Order: sequence, then C-alpha cells, then structure tokens
Amino acid sequence: QKEVEQNSGPLSVPEGAIASLNCTYSDRGSQSFFWYRQYSGKSPELIMSIYSNGDKEDGRFTAQLNKASQYVSLLIRDSQPSDSATYLCAVNESGGFKTIFGAGTRLFVKA
Amino acid sequence: NAGVTQTPKFQVLKTGQSMTLQCAQDMNHNSMYWYRQDPGMGLRLIYYSASEGTTDKGEVPNGYNVSRLNKREFSLRLESAAPSQTSVYFCASSPPNPPLHFGNGTRLTVT
Repeated sequence: QKEVEQNSGPLSVPEGAIASLNCTYSDRGSQSFFWYRQYSGKSPELIMSIYSNGDKEDGRFTAQLNKASQYVSLLIRDSQPSDSATYLCAVNESGGFKTIFGAGTRLFVKA
Repeated sequence: NAGVTQTPKFQVLKTGQSMTLQCAQDMNHNSMYWYRQDPGMGLRLIYYSASEGTTDKGEVPNGYNVSRLNKREFSLRLESAAPSQTSVYFCASSPPNPPLHFGNGTRLTVT
C-alpha cells in the first residue's frame, strides 16, 4: 500500500513567522506532488504543484522536493491568521491516475 | 463558472437504504474521482474514471458502485448504506492528470 505521511499537528506559529510543513511518501516512482489547503468544512484547494527536485516559489509559499529522500515540504512565509487551515500533501501514483493524500497537518497562526 | 458540482450537500440515511451521489463538471476534464474523508484519515480514493466509459477501483471501493454517465457526469451509488459509510464525500476532476479540482462535498450520515 503506497503511503503519504504527514505530522497531524497541530502546528502553531505566531503571525509573521515561517510555517514549515513536511511530508514523506513511499512510492519512489512518483513524479507529481501537490499541496492542498482545506479550511474547516470546505473542500481542498490546490496551492502548489511541484514536479522536479528543488524549490518552487509562489508568493509567500515555497514547495521543496527531494526525490532521493522521498520528501516534500511547504514553507509559508509571513504567516497570517488566514493561513490557519489543514494542509494536505498529495502524491500522484507512478504510472497511474491515482492521487494519494496524507492525513493533513493542522496549522494555527496566532495573531 | 461552476467547476465541479455535487448534489446533495447533506443527506441522512437509515442503515440499508440506498442513494446516489451526483457529480458533474463543466471543465471538459477527462478524469473524475470519488474520495471520502474521515477525521484523522485524510482523503481516500473510492473509485476513479480515467476517461469516459472506464472506471477503476481505488483504495476503499467496497460497498460502492459508480457510473460514468458521460464525460461530464460521474455518480456514486450506495446500494445498502452502513454506519461505516458516514463520511464526507468529495468528487474531483482533472484534465487527464492531476492536480485535482474538487466539488464542495456531500456530508452523509447513516444511522
């Protein structure tokens, strides 16, 4: 069974700090990696995609991928209370259409 | 721009009753998916359809059936509901490959 592991948290950071969210995956052949944000009672929404090793930046968000270590991370700079949500790491299964999700990390940003 | 539309938003069933969850997308996507989300367990894939006319089992298919009615619509049927099927159900679509675009979800309670 292919797996995606995340620390469930909650992760609590003060406003303005950097939030660091981590994820590991078991499918060594995976090529596509995603971070979704899910507010309480709402559906997941895509915030970052990453496909190659290294960093990818989009505004206050940076995704980092290390395929050798099977590790994906998301950094949120200048965290805001509106960033408080559950962040889901997702990995596309190698050779297929299935996306496997981690259980999510709950983030609280304290004003 | 509707995106992915799910109906109903809420449903309460008694054990043994049947129902169909409806999903439609207007983005001309090839692939469609049904996930369930339970507390602490993240999103688990029930069934998916890589293209019109095809369906495949995901991680937790038991107790469910699906129909890809046409390119736009992908329905999920519970033939004999059980309390273990109490969950939030999300439909999603993708162009063919991820990332996924999610509907707003259906909250199902089976008593």
